Amino acid sequence: QKEVEQDPGPLSVPEGAIVSLNCTYSNSAFQYFMWYRQYSRKGPELLMYTYSSGNKEDGRFTAQVDKSSKYISLFIRDSQPSDSATYLCAMSSYNQGGKLIFGQGTELSVKP
Amino acid sequence: NAGVMQNPRHLVRRRGQEARLRCSPMKGHSHVYWYRQLPEEGLKFMVYLQKENIIDESGMPKERFSAEFPKEGPSILRIQQVVRGDSAAYFCASSPPSQGARVYEQYFGPGTRLTVT
Repeated sequence: QKEVEQDPGPLSVPEGAIVSLNCTYSNSAFQYFMWYRQYSRKGPELLMYTYSSGNKEDGRFTAQVDKSSKYISLFIRDSQPSDSATYLCAMSSYNQGGKLIFGQGTELSVKP
Repeated sequence: NAGVMQNPRHLVRRRGQEARLRCSPMKGHSHVYWYRQLPEEGLKFMVYLQKENIIDESGMPKERFSAEFPKEGPSILRIQQVVRGDSAAYFCASSPPSQGARVYEQYFGPGTRLTVT
């Protein structure tokens, strides 16, 4: 079993839709949670960084962490064609040092 | 403020040659990480370095791979005697110099795509 599971998609939505992206994990020690966006043949771009449980909002993006269910989510409101990319979740714990554990990534396509 | 820089962006090597990948962290960052992304797989951690120190190399293959981050100059990931299975995208990331939670705030470079023929 992988430490971090993420549905690879692809996920296709119409412009303006609310997008929900999710990851589950098995290591209860994880306490740092990140979402990255990666355009084709580019480097991952840090979107959201949260610590422990709760919500964090930044513009059209909201990150949620539910440690009791070992489940994290990224919501994108009013999705745009420019949001079309692969979204990667990543997480870590204090005893991992600086090592991030990534999900496989979900490919998102927003259709005009 | 320049981001993480990597060069070359594309590198082609024949089997048995050496590959050298360079990474300059963001200005003010002193922690460097290398990750590898294989087709159909997620990003996999390889090594974590600070200036002149390897902090964690638990993700590095035991043979042929080495990394350094000298006092002056970029971080280097070196792959000796490359094989076809080394073909992948190699990404470097950096984080701010403070300890604690900020080491997880990692910013990635554009990557080096290595092709072994």
